[in-house]
Amino acid sequence: EVQLVESGGGLVQPGGSLRLSCAASGFTFSDYNLDWVRQAPGRGLEWVGRTGSKANNYATEYAASVKGRFTISRDESKNSLFLQMHSLKTEDTAVYYCTRVQTYNDFSFDYWGQGTLVTVSS
Amino acid sequence: DIQMTQSPSSLSASVGDRVTITCRASQGIRNALAWYQQKAGKAPKRLIYAASSLQSGVPSRFSGSGSGTEFTLTISSLQPEDFATYYCLQYNTYPLTFGGGTKVEIK
Repeated sequence: EVQLVESGGGLVQPGGSLRLSCAASGFTFSDYNLDWVRQAPGRGLEWVGRTGSKANNYATEYAASVKGRFTISRDESKNSLFLQMHSLKTEDTAVYYCTRVQTYNDFSFDYWGQGTLVTVSS
Repeated sequence: DIQMTQSPSSLSASVGDRVTITCRASQGIRNALAWYQQKAGKAPKRLIYAASSLQSGVPSRFSGSGSGTEFTLTISSLQPEDFATYYCLQYNTYPLTFGGGTKVEIK
């Protein structure tokens, strides 16, 4: 069974940093692109960025709103995905979801984690 | 960036009604369009991918159609468990973008 479990959310002051983790299981981790998607309270979904699979050379892509402040990485030995966030702003307050990108016949998100809440506030 | 315009933003419907939600892309995205259902406090769940392919385990009352710039999600006969918010996602081009959502409420 595919599972994605996020952790690391919490309260952080504006300008601060936070690192989110996503523990993956139930699939061959290195075969999949993995993305972060966020949702501000009461708002819609926003794509944050991607780390590619081994076949895609682990290439990363980011939304303009986080580029230069957020870094996505992965640890193949731990089947884990990370989101390092710096220079946090109040508008980064959101539930952050880890998602898996389907790799055959399609490239949308087929599995989501339960999300972890990040609150940026003084 | 590709803008996804989803309509309506909300609707009220009764059990048994046929419901249609539309997403329009600001430029062509072939069939790289998925539909997600989200219930309060939960992660989104994929219903449709590649514009018209039904996710395994999703009831057949859900269907998707379209290609290029206009896409539709149809629920043929609304059930009590379908009251939720629905989002479209384009994944043809970076950055990936979602529609603004459609909240389906009970009339």
